[in-house]
Amino acid sequence: QKEVEQDPGPLSVPEGAIVSLNCTYSNSAFQYFMWYRQYSRKGPELLMYTYSSGNKEDGRFTAQVDKSSKYISLFIRDSQPSDSATYLCAMSVSGSWGKLQFGAGTQVVVTP
Amino acid sequence: NAGVTQTPKFRVLKTGQSMTLLCAQDMNHEYMYWYRQDPGMGLRLIHYSVGEGTTAKGEVPDGYNVSRLKKQNFLLGLESAAPSQTSVYFCASSYGTRGLETQYFGPGTRLLVL
Repeated sequence: QKEVEQDPGPLSVPEGAIVSLNCTYSNSAFQYFMWYRQYSRKGPELLMYTYSSGNKEDGRFTAQVDKSSKYISLFIRDSQPSDSATYLCAMSVSGSWGKLQFGAGTQVVVTP
Repeated sequence: NAGVTQTPKFRVLKTGQSMTLLCAQDMNHEYMYWYRQDPGMGLRLIHYSVGEGTTAKGEVPDGYNVSRLKKQNFLLGLESAAPSQTSVYFCASSYGTRGLETQYFGPGTRLLVL
């Protein structure tokens, strides 16, 4: 069983809709939680970073972490066609030299 | 700033051949990482380095070697390529101490082993 589980999608939504993505994990030692965005044939880029539990908002993006349920979420409001990409969740343990455990990624398609 | 660059962008190898993938970063980052990305598997860490002259094994190190002779460069070697090593390889770098989770990725190298 993988430490980080993520539905691969694809998730297709109309422009302007809210995109909801999530990951579950099994390692309760994870303390750092990230969402990376990866466009086709490009390298991932950091989108959101959260330490421990709680919510974090950045423009149209909101990241939530629920450590009690071992569940993290990313919401994209007012989705745009430019949001079409694969979204990877990642997490790590404190003191692990930045070694990240990634989910498999969810492909999102926003249709005009 | 070019950020993180990778050479080559694409390569085809025959089983048993060797090759070296080069990663270079111009951000003066201490930490560098090599990942492979396969369909349905996400990114998996192969090897990493916490500074010049250091290397350490990641999750899937077998069949690969690395070297960090200069701070800005991190080399990934395949001594005897196997079809199972067909993948997209990404290099990443990050700041030391704090911000290790903020990793900057290169554009990737697509490797096909026949």
